Amino acid sequence: AQSVSQHNHHVILSEAASLELGCNYSYGGTVNLFWYVQYPGQHLQLLLKYFSGDPLVKGIKGFEAEFIKSKFSFNLRKPSVQWSDTAEYFCAVTSANTGNQFYFGTGTSLTVIP
Amino acid sequence: DTEVTQTPKHLVMGMTNKKSLKCEQHMGHRAMYWYKQKAKKPPELMFVYSYEKLSINESVPSRFSPECPNSSLLNLHLHALQPEDSALYLCASSQTAGRAASSYEQYFGPGTRLTVT
Repeated sequence: AQSVSQHNHHVILSEAASLELGCNYSYGGTVNLFWYVQYPGQHLQLLLKYFSGDPLVKGIKGFEAEFIKSKFSFNLRKPSVQWSDTAEYFCAVTSANTGNQFYFGTGTSLTVIP
Repeated sequence: DTEVTQTPKHLVMGMTNKKSLKCEQHMGHRAMYWYKQKAKKPPELMFVYSYEKLSINESVPSRFSPECPNSSLLNLHLHALQPEDSALYLCASSQTAGRAASSYEQYFGPGTRLTVT
């Protein structure tokens, strides 16, 4: 079975700091990768996704992620965070071998201090 | 319309009650999902329906009973729940489910926050 690791469980940053959240997965075949965000009291929203092509993908709200196949990683980045980015961030992976079953990482809680 | 709707938003029920959660999508998606999410934890898959048939049941206790009346609707019937079942219940949909559909992202509803007393 797939596994997805998010090593940063809780990150605290000041506004304008740069952000990088790690995501590593275990499957060696073709994968599809997602980052979802969940603001306090709200539902999961898709930030960005990677299916194929350019490994650097840009999402909403200034977020981007880079797929590095050799490292089995899909790290999320933002050059300058805002207080409104305070939320839970989940990485998710699917693969052809598992159909459309999502494997979620354990999540990273981001707190941005004004 | 890229929306998945869920009702009710909040539900409080006793351990002897019977209630149902409802989910609806009008995107023509043929796969629908139920997830359970505890605070600050990732969603845990409960059930998958593909073309209105149950395709995955992740060893969920029988006090949770899913139903897919048609391709747009998904219900979750609740009976004799325990306090530890209190959680956010999320519905999601995707175009299809299965090997050919691995590229299809899931669209999540806002969830029903369930409290069992």
